[in-house]
Amino acid sequence: QVQLVQSETEVKKPGASVKVSCKASGYTFTTFGINWVRQAPGQGLEWMGWISPYNANTHYAQSLQGRVTMTTDTSTSTAYMELRSLRFDDTAVYYCAREAQQSQAFDIWGQGTLVTVS
Amino acid sequence: DIVMTQTPLSSPVTLGQPASISCRSSQSLVHSDGNTYLSWLQQRPGQPPRLLIYKISNRFSGVPDRFSGSGGGTDFTLKISRVEAEDVGIYYCMQATQFPHTFGGGTKVEI
Repeated sequence: QVQLVQSETEVKKPGASVKVSCKASGYTFTTFGINWVRQAPGQGLEWMGWISPYNANTHYAQSLQGRVTMTTDTSTSTAYMELRSLRFDDTAVYYCAREAQQSQAFDIWGQGTLVTVS
Repeated sequence: DIVMTQTPLSSPVTLGQPASISCRSSQSLVHSDGNTYLSWLQQRPGQPPRLLIYKISNRFSGVPDRFSGSGGGTDFTLKISRVEAEDVGIYYCMQATQFPHTFGGGTKVEI
């Protein structure tokens, strides 16, 4: 079945970097965009950025520009999100979500990866 | 950036009764291709979000028909015709008409 499986929980110190992975299966990886969304404890959803696995084009949230990099590895159908210079307020659950081109909707979500900065 | 504003913040509902959530965007969500990329997501406690509705009114696969979406331009509504216990959670509207994609602040539906 179609699914996105993310990497495990991470604990990092302030100033460090974290790289979260999102492995896709059950569909052709290059035909859907991948978005990254985060959710701080008890808070709403925050869009972080989008990447096209087809041509590696990206769009990032202005608030994260310079600290975030999104990449894909088409040989393993895996998307990655790296966040650098971590701060306490980067503590959140990070989700990857597939975006269908026709609907521009986030139709499949990963299970989430908790990143704690402490 | 397009700001998405949801009301109410919280919606106490009675089982079997209808519920309605509003979402307003700070500018029109009509894309240059003529489509309106407004979707609704449900997040149950401890779960990732789940797509309910896309392009204003299209139910995603497997979504019960008690969920419906309507609206256009800058004003949108999600309706639950008869609330069931499994509908408890937080509901978000989201626009993907332009970057950055943005979410509403969420509406908590509780029995």
